[in-house]
Amino acid sequence: AQTVTQSQPEMSVQEAETVTLSCTYDTSENNYYLFWYKQPPSRQMILVIRQEAYKQQNATENRFSVNFQKAAKSFSLKISDSQLGDTAMYFCAFQYTGNQFYFGTGTSLTVIP
Amino acid sequence: KAGVTQTPRYLIKTRGQQVTLSCSPISGHRSVSWYQQTPGQGLQFLFEYFSETQRNKGNFPGRFSGRQFSNSRSEMNVSTLELGDSALYLCASSLHGVTPGNTIYFGEGSWLTVV
Repeated sequence: AQTVTQSQPEMSVQEAETVTLSCTYDTSENNYYLFWYKQPPSRQMILVIRQEAYKQQNATENRFSVNFQKAAKSFSLKISDSQLGDTAMYFCAFQYTGNQFYFGTGTSLTVIP
Repeated sequence: KAGVTQTPRYLIKTRGQQVTLSCSPISGHRSVSWYQQTPGQGLQFLFEYFSETQRNKGNFPGRFSGRQFSNSRSEMNVSTLELGDSALYLCASSLHGVTPGNTIYFGEGSWLTVV
């Protein structure tokens, strides 16, 4: 069975500072993909970043980057230069077959002006 | 290009009734998947359709069903509604299905309240 764990239910960060959200997962699969999705108050899920497990290089998307540690089954999200618009719920997700995603319970991030 | 469109956005139903939710994927996308989001259970996978065929199904009772039409639009149906079915139902589409690695794009969801 695949499980995704986000151990930080809530976090806050000052505007312009850097914050890291944690995610660990458990799987016996070798070929899989990891994602971070953001859900703002509007509730629409928005893709933040995507990582292929077979790639050792950490994915980066503008102010968002990941630290992917395959052996440790860890996939953290770093947000640099935090902006007020980053305030949202962040979900870590795992995918290994079709479009069946396994989501963590989410981390509620608040950016403080 | 238009995103994933879900209708209706909000609805209230009574226990025992049934409900049908609709999802129109992004143009050209052939895969549609459905998720249920509740405060207690989080985001849970319901099922996935690709080319009108159900490819994967989550761990939900048979009261939850779905289908996909030849234009890739999808509907999900919940029969004999229970209070616990109150949730945000999210539809997501992707260009491909079956093989992993696809990015899925979500709609704004349908809020279902069962009273």
